Amino acid sequence: DAGVIQSPRHEVTEMGQEVTLRCKPISGHDYLFWYRQTMMRGLELLIYFNNNVPIDDSGMPEDRFSAKMPNASFSTLKIQPSEPRDSAVYFCASSLGLAGGFRETQYFGPGTRLLVL
Amino acid sequence: KQEVTQIPAALSVPEGENLVLNCSFTDSAIYNLQWFRQDPGKGLTSLLLIQSSQREQTSGRLNASLDKSSGRSTLYIAASQPGDSATYLCAVNTGGTSYGKLTFGQGTILTVHP
Repeated sequence: DAGVIQSPRHEVTEMGQEVTLRCKPISGHDYLFWYRQTMMRGLELLIYFNNNVPIDDSGMPEDRFSAKMPNASFSTLKIQPSEPRDSAVYFCASSLGLAGGFRETQYFGPGTRLLVL
Repeated sequence: KQEVTQIPAALSVPEGENLVLNCSFTDSAIYNLQWFRQDPGKGLTSLLLIQSSQREQTSGRLNASLDKSSGRSTLYIAASQPGDSATYLCAVNTGGTSYGKLTFGQGTILTVHP
């Protein structure tokens, strides 16, 4: 398997523009996670899905952020409008969950480096 | 709210040394704990996962231990090599209604010099 795939790898945009980050999880994994990493706050979970359904979005910072998972092989994280403080590395991760609970390792993608000017 | 702390923040050792990285967490009711490695500009690579019922896990030169009651985990690296240089992150899964939700420490930056 190619692992978790994220695109784009780098994104530079201007304040106010819409940004869409994309993720393809490992085939067969039924959990998908979006994280954000900054120097100040470290790694933070934004939202995660189980079987394409959002389970916990308490980490989403504002209404400007939204995430979707239309099918088992694709998810998007959208920021509209973007602001300079959104500059960070955004990671997608996936894992194989077992019935009755989550036990498995999370596998991370390479990340998208976002710079909002 | 779960908080995860890693000590030291940075560590520099000569090649061949055995070393220990520390991780502590405030809520001992955890589901599992994971150690990750992150290379500069890259994503995270999972090293070891310890379930709450386990005391340790080993993979090659790596050994991770877990003491739930004291809220601590250690990552032991034997015979360190320059290729081990990276940031090591500890992450705790508190489980319950937060299945899958990992809380990360700030990491330990390890440098192994030849």
